[in-house]
Amino acid sequence: QKEVEQDPGPLSVPEGAIVSLNCTYSNSAFQYFMWYRQYSRKGPELLMYTYSSGNKEDGRFTAQVDKSSKYISLFIRDSQPSDSATYLCAMSAGSARQLTFGSGTQLTVLP
Amino acid sequence: GAVVSQHPSWVICKSGTSVKIECRSLDFQATTMFWYRQFPKQSLMLMATSNEGSKATYEQGVEKDKFLINHASLTLSTLTVTSAHPEDSSFYICSAGPYTGGGNTIYFGEGSWLTVV
Repeated sequence: QKEVEQDPGPLSVPEGAIVSLNCTYSNSAFQYFMWYRQYSRKGPELLMYTYSSGNKEDGRFTAQVDKSSKYISLFIRDSQPSDSATYLCAMSAGSARQLTFGSGTQLTVLP
Repeated sequence: GAVVSQHPSWVICKSGTSVKIECRSLDFQATTMFWYRQFPKQSLMLMATSNEGSKATYEQGVEKDKFLINHASLTLSTLTVTSAHPEDSSFYICSAGPYTGGGNTIYFGEGSWLTVV
C-alpha cells in the first residue's frame, strides 16, 4: 500500500462546476499538507499549504485536512478551463522538507 | 512568495556527454534542496536530497556517479547528468523551501526537459 493514495482520474467537469479532489494517507506522522497544480511540461505550482487539521480558503480554492480520518481534500469553486491541470497532493512529517506525493489527479474543465 | 528558478528549461545533448542543470533559490537561503525526476503522466520521483556544504543523499536505485549533485552555496544546487544516455531523457525538477521555524512550504522550479539523442 502506498503512503499516499490519490485517484489519478482523469476527471472532466463543465465550467463553473465545483471540483473535489482527495487524498488519503497512512502515515500518522504527517503534519504538513500541500496541494500543487502542475500544467503540462511545467514544474508544480504551490496552491495551498495547511498545517495539521482544519480548513483553509484562498479565493476559489479550499483545502481541508482531517487527520483523524487521514484524509485531505481540495475544493475548487466556479471551475475555469484554466484550472485544467494535474493536481498533486503532498505531505511531510515534522520539519523535514522531503515531501511524499500522491500520484496526481488529471482535471479537465470543459468550456 | 518564495521563488525557485531552474536553468535550462530545455536541453538536448548527444549520448556520452554531460549536462548540468542549475537550481537557485531567488529570495531565500536553502540549506536543503531536492531533485526529482518525472516521467510522462507519472508523479514526481525523488532522486536525491542536496545538502549545502556536504554530500547529497541519494534515494535507493539512483546512481551517485551518474547524477552528480553539488550544493556549494545556500542558493544554488546543480545536478549533472554524466555520460548521458537516451534513457536519461526526462523532466528533472528541483524544490526548496525557506525555513520559517516550523513552517514547511516547498516551492518547485520550472523544471528542465532533457533529451539525449
